[in-house]
Amino acid sequence: GNSVTQMEGPVTLSEEAFLTINCTYTATGYPSLFWYVQYPGEGLQLLLKATKADDKGSNKGFEATYRKETTSFHLEKGSVQVSDSAVYFCALTPTGTASKLTFGTGTRLQVTL
Amino acid sequence: DTEVTQTPKHLVMGMTNKKSLKCEQHMGHRAMYWYKQKAKKPPELMFVYSYEKLSINESVPSRFSPECPNSSLLNLHLHALQPEDSALYLCASSQPGQGPEAFFGQGTRLTVV
Repeated sequence: GNSVTQMEGPVTLSEEAFLTINCTYTATGYPSLFWYVQYPGEGLQLLLKATKADDKGSNKGFEATYRKETTSFHLEKGSVQVSDSAVYFCALTPTGTASKLTFGTGTRLQVTL
Repeated sequence: DTEVTQTPKHLVMGMTNKKSLKCEQHMGHRAMYWYKQKAKKPPELMFVYSYEKLSINESVPSRFSPECPNSSLLNLHLHALQPEDSALYLCASSQPGQGPEAFFGQGTRLTVV
């Protein structure tokens, strides 16, 4: 079956530090990969996506590259802000459909001044 | 407009009550979803509607009853819930064939007393 593994949190960083949140996956075929962000008390927001190998998704300074050879989709940001404090979920869905989103366990990011 | 609207934002109900959660989207999406999210956990899929027909029921207890009156609306009827059903209930939508991503609402925070 499909699965997503994320690094354990919480991740605590100072403002302007470099962020990496690791994500690896197991899936058959060519899944689409996502990062969703959940701010406290809110729903999930789609942060970025990649639908095929070597695609780079980017949004709001965050980036992630679909690496099929290492089955990874690590999230990076060059300089985090306090407002980036949230829970980040890596997720995948089988080719061409959103019907079966599989989420990782989520990684809490805390950014301090 | 990439908005999914859920009402109410918060709901407290007794174990003998009947209540409904509502979800609306105006993106023309023909697939809609209900997810349940417990604290510090990822969302778990409950139901999928595709073209107004129930296509996936993830073995959800019958005290949860979904309804899709039209392509823009999705309801979740609640009856005789248990305290362990307290959670954040998230609605999402996607468009089959137009991209694999799902868009989430802000959720309804349900407390069963």
